[in-house]
Amino acid sequence: QVQLQESGPGLVKPSETLSLTCSVSGSSISHYYWSWIRQPPGKGLEWIGYIYYSGSTNYNPSLKSRVTISVDTSKNHFSLKLSSVTAADTALYYCARGGITMDPWFDPWGQGTLVTVSS
Amino acid sequence: DIQMTQSPSSLSASVGDRVTITCRSSQSISNYLNWYHQRPGKAPKLLISAASRLQSGVPSRFSGSGSGTEFTLTISSLQPEDFATYYCQQSISTPLTFGGGTKVEIK
Repeated sequence: QVQLQESGPGLVKPSETLSLTCSVSGSSISHYYWSWIRQPPGKGLEWIGYIYYSGSTNYNPSLKSRVTISVDTSKNHFSLKLSSVTAADTALYYCARGGITMDPWFDPWGQGTLVTVSS
Repeated sequence: DIQMTQSPSSLSASVGDRVTITCRSSQSISNYLNWYHQRPGKAPKLLISAASRLQSGVPSRFSGSGSGTEFTLTISSLQPEDFATYYCQQSISTPLTFGGGTKVEIK
């Protein structure tokens, strides 16, 4: 059974960089796409971007200038960095397997981690 | 970007009711349409992929249909555990986008 677990600081100061890691268990990270998705409190879902195990990425243009997604196959995890954060980046951040092409859906999802941007 | 529009945004229904949720895309997405539900405090869960393919373990009271720009999710007999928010999502092109959600509440 594939399981994903997000980890990282729950509080980030404005203008700093948000950093999260998604650890994958029960499956090799190889040969799949892996995505980050976020959900502001009480709002809907926004796709942030995905990475293929080979390292190729695709980001939402609305965030592209601030987002970096990377993968570490040796540790079976992938990571998200979002720079220059503001209060608008406060959200539940989810990682999920899939995105497009071979896996054009998100399944499974991690439980999510709340990141609050505040001084 | 492909815009996904769900209707209604919320609905009240009783256990045993038949419920239908509609999702429309701003351009044709063939059958690249997925449905998720999200219970309060939980992560979304994939119910249906490719417009009509029920995921393993998902009860058969859920069904999906449609292609092109109009899609529906139907729950044939609403159960207590189905009270949640439902999202559609297109996966034909990036940026991948979700509908705004339909909250199914208890009447």
